[in-house]
Amino acid sequence: AQSVAQPEDQVNVAEGNPLTVKCTYSVSGNPYLFWYVQYPNRGLQFLLKYITGDNLVKGSYGFEAEFNKSQTSFHLKKPSALVSDSALYFCAVTPNRDDKIIFGKGTRLHILP
Amino acid sequence: GAGVSQSPSNKVTEKGKDVELRCDPISGHTALYWYRQSLGQGLEFLIYFQGNSAPDKSGLPSDRFSAERTGGSVSTLTIQRTQQEDSAVYLCASSLARGAGGSAYNEQFFGPGTRLTVL
Repeated sequence: AQSVAQPEDQVNVAEGNPLTVKCTYSVSGNPYLFWYVQYPNRGLQFLLKYITGDNLVKGSYGFEAEFNKSQTSFHLKKPSALVSDSALYFCAVTPNRDDKIIFGKGTRLHILP
Repeated sequence: GAGVSQSPSNKVTEKGKDVELRCDPISGHTALYWYRQSLGQGLEFLIYFQGNSAPDKSGLPSDRFSAERTGGSVSTLTIQRTQQEDSAVYLCASSLARGAGGSAYNEQFFGPGTRLTVL
């Protein structure tokens, strides 16, 4: 069965430090991978996606993610965290033959001033 | 342009009553999804419509839940005989059809959600 895992319920990072939010997946075929963010009291917003090509994809607000096929991972990263990055982050995946997108349970990111 | 809209934004109902939640997707988006997000929890997939194909209902938690999508556009999620555990934010999202190409391929656009409270 297709699935996506976000092993950390919460990640705490000091402002200015690099951040990583982990995501691993299990799908058949070549996956399409996404990150979404939900700021407090706001709707879900698309951050970035991997479809094909360069394994390192860049998205909104200075975020990037690296697709690693051998490790079946798609970790979200940012070189220098801001307090305003504090939010709930969701990783999502869709198999290449099925458009239904499966979301992880989310990781709450706290950036400490 | 207009995004995904949902109505009502808030709904308070009594246990046992039926409720209908509405979603207006972005024009031209043939894929439509319903999710449920309980307080502090992740997204729970409910149902997925793709064009004229039969919907994927695999996420509906019970037969009290149903959804329709009329004319390939507006969708209504109906919850019959509501229970307190149905209280949650119900999110709708739409996306372009597979194969439409372009940078927006499969990116989901979410509505603001309907907050349902069952007393």
